[in-house]
Amino acid sequence: DIVMTQTPLSLPVTLGQPASISCRSSQSLVHSDGNTYLSWFQQRPGQPPRVLIYKISNRFPGVPDRFSGSGAGTDFTLRISRVEAEDVGVYYCIQATQFRTFGQGTRVEIK
Amino acid sequence: QVELQQSGPGLVKPSQTLSLTCTISGDSVSSNSAAWNWIRQSPSRGLEWLGRTYYRSKWDNEYAPSMESRITVNPDTSKNQFSLQLNSVTPEDTAVYYCARESPGIHFDYWGQGTLVTVSS
Repeated sequence: DIVMTQTPLSLPVTLGQPASISCRSSQSLVHSDGNTYLSWFQQRPGQPPRVLIYKISNRFPGVPDRFSGSGAGTDFTLRISRVEAEDVGVYYCIQATQFRTFGQGTRVEIK
Repeated sequence: QVELQQSGPGLVKPSQTLSLTCTISGDSVSSNSAAWNWIRQSPSRGLEWLGRTYYRSKWDNEYAPSMESRITVNPDTSKNQFSLQLNSVTPEDTAVYYCARESPGIHFDYWGQGTLVTVSS
């Protein structure tokens, strides 16, 4: 099984400041079709997760452009350029190259 | 607009079968491009993908290796639904269960509302 490891697990941030979450996979996420199926999700309390980024860096329609994704192979990053109050929640990476596995989640809170 | 509506019991006894249904609107369970998934979430295990069903000229399924021996995901084309059956449940299977759609390259773009299922006698 591919294991997804996120750091940090908790991220206190100041409003208006940038934030960054790392996700590392236990093996390369490059699929045999050439794509890398790494996505990022946000989950607010009491709601299902919602997709922010897919295939490393593609923003899902309706997602603010302050969210961006980058990376390759086994190392990936989600960045929020300027954190807003509505960004509070838990963020997950997920790989879909081999079955599907989620990271443990990173809790983003306002300082 | 795609919507997924979940239904099923919130309490299941140990050793029995957990059964949930997800009703699709705005898309078809027989779509040649979508896949229909079950995912669960618990404090102890986090988010865990369970399995999926999809149609690509014929029906196929894919299950998480840890679930393969006791999970079935089935489509129901007459009702535009898909279902989850999880056999021989234990208290460890207590979780919020979600259904979710996958589009090509975009994993889990639409989700059901979630169903808390408690396994207890």
